[in-house]
Amino acid sequence: GAVVSQHPSWVICKSGTSVKIECRSLDFQATTMFWYRQFPKQSLMLMATSNEGSKATYEQGVEKDKFLINHASLTLSTLTVTSAHPEDSSFYICSARIEADYNEQFFGPGTRLTVL
Amino acid sequence: GQNIDQPTEMTATEGAIVQINCTYQTSGFNGLFWYQQHAGEAPTFLSYNVLDGLEEKGRFSSFLSRSKGYSYLLLKELQMKDSASYLCAVTDSNYQLIWGAGTKLIIKP
Repeated sequence: GAVVSQHPSWVICKSGTSVKIECRSLDFQATTMFWYRQFPKQSLMLMATSNEGSKATYEQGVEKDKFLINHASLTLSTLTVTSAHPEDSSFYICSARIEADYNEQFFGPGTRLTVL
Repeated sequence: GQNIDQPTEMTATEGAIVQINCTYQTSGFNGLFWYQQHAGEAPTFLSYNVLDGLEEKGRFSSFLSRSKGYSYLLLKELQMKDSASYLCAVTDSNYQLIWGAGTKLIIKP
């Protein structure tokens, strides 16, 4: 149980285009989902916390208008990178937390974004 | 501020034992996680400690001392596939996960 999927697993796009990444909890309801970014040889960096039905809470330094997060249901959150640029190329990982188990986060497999 | 420290890199020999330390200073404490992350992949859960003491799970064990703000991950009978980064993360009083930078473990034959 507690499986989280991400789609796509990798994407290559041109500079200036927008990219949407989906994060789904497959066998549980996730009231809270998290979006992380990881650059090569660095640790995970939390971008935002997403609660179902409400606006996401962004970490300091993360542009809200550039990284649009929608958590429309208890099993789906989306991250849209708008007007992507090469510096946005990174590994994007989502995780989900089960309401009953307030501690553990279950991670998706990640999405590798490359912006040309 | 909140801070988690762990060594950047460690090297060990196949078949041996290695201990990866983690010290933390956070606003509140609601548990400590260890995750394993292979290059290009998402983290996978290894262990969770919320009370003091040692938790053993196969070849991996994790220890916690809340009074010292200290944990370690012990890996026994090392295998080549254990080469990965090991991430220490603490849940603070707001149930936010605070991440360490990770320890890259290199296993040599």
